[in-house]
Amino acid sequence: RKEVEQDPGPFNVPEGATVAFNCTYSNSASQSFFWYRQDCRKEPKLLMSVYSSGNEDGRFTAQLNRASQYISLLIRDSKLSDSATYLCVVGYNFNKFYFGSGTKLNVKP
Amino acid sequence: DAGVTQSPTHLIKTRGQQVTLRCSPKSGHDTVSWYQQALGQGPQFIFQYYEEEERQRGNFPDRFSGHQFPNYSSELNVNALLLGDSALYLCASSLSSGSSYEQYFGPGTRLTVT
Repeated sequence: RKEVEQDPGPFNVPEGATVAFNCTYSNSASQSFFWYRQDCRKEPKLLMSVYSSGNEDGRFTAQLNRASQYISLLIRDSKLSDSATYLCVVGYNFNKFYFGSGTKLNVKP
Repeated sequence: DAGVTQSPTHLIKTRGQQVTLRCSPKSGHDTVSWYQQALGQGPQFIFQYYEEEERQRGNFPDRFSGHQFPNYSSELNVNALLLGDSALYLCASSLSSGSSYEQYFGPGTRLTVT
């Protein structure tokens, strides 16, 4: 079983739509959680850390459910520039990190 | 503020050869992690270096080794290259004393093994 699992998509949505991604992790001892964005043939870029209380950054909202071991990312009012692959990341012992395979988002005009 | 840099950008090697990839962390960061990303997959954790020592290791064979220098820069060495080692190799830096453990990635080295 993979440490981190994501729906690979692609999610094809129109501009202005709201889209949500989920990610599940297998190790209940996980300590840190992140969402990264990766454009084609580029490096991953940190989108946001995910905290137990949930956190929001503009159009992006991240939630963590430790009991069910899943993380979510909500994108409101999608823009064309949001098209990318979104990677879920889970950390153990504060220095070992597992990435999901990513969820591809295509925002269409 | 310099971000994470990696060299070279691209590299072509033959099976059986050895390769060394280099990484300079973001200014102020002291921890370097290396990842391998195959096409269509998420990055896979190779190992992490802190205080010039390997602190954590993923499921990679001993052919993969590394080093960290006193200035926090790092090298990834791969011996006896296999075709399956063809991938994007990413370096990420972070601050060990930070509370967020956020990592910042370099642009990567694309290795092709023929």
